[in-house]
Amino acid sequence: QQQVKQSPQSLIVQKGGISIINCAYENTAFDYFPWYQQFPGKGPALLIAIRPDVSEKKEGRFTISFNKSAKQFSLHIMDSQPGDSATYFCAASMAQGAQKLVFGQGTRLTINP
Amino acid sequence: DGGITQSPKYLFRKEGQNVTLSCEQNLNHDAMYWYRQDPGQGLRLIYYSQIVNDFQKGDIAEGYSVSREKKESFPLTVTSAQKNPTAFYLCASRDRIYEQYFGPGTRLTVT
Repeated sequence: QQQVKQSPQSLIVQKGGISIINCAYENTAFDYFPWYQQFPGKGPALLIAIRPDVSEKKEGRFTISFNKSAKQFSLHIMDSQPGDSATYFCAASMAQGAQKLVFGQGTRLTINP
Repeated sequence: DGGITQSPKYLFRKEGQNVTLSCEQNLNHDAMYWYRQDPGQGLRLIYYSQIVNDFQKGDIAEGYSVSREKKESFPLTVTSAQKNPTAFYLCASRDRIYEQYFGPGTRLTVT
């Protein structure tokens, strides 16, 4: 119930295309869903996050879509650029207690020029 | 500059030795976390602390220990009891709402 499943493991997209990464969760008590971007040898950086009271959140080229009934959420990167090549992690946590993040396995995204 | 610092960036130790990884933050965050990252895997929680002088085990605490004597500092000791200590270790802190911010990480290699 604590797992967050992320797919695909790796993704190759052409420059200018749309990159889509999906995550699914089981625990309905989760109410905070962030996405992190990580470059090799660096710590993850918070990219964008969503609460379940909205179905979509957009920040620049990055959009989170959230489907509460399906217990799924996804990251869309519009007009993907070579600089977006990184590993992306979805995560989930609960408002109560220590707000521990449960992470997906990660998606290695490569944007071909 | 506000942020989280981890030192050293790379650490090499012989098997059987304890080693302490440093994590300092000047964000005035109460909560701090330690994660372990292995190739091809997500981050796994080792220990966390919500307030000074208090900490809790995460999902993979065996072979690790922590202390939280100051709000700014949350050092992690990897003991000789940890069977597979070679990994990338990440420290994070959280603001009052939800957002966790990560440090740059320490890559530990034990041979």
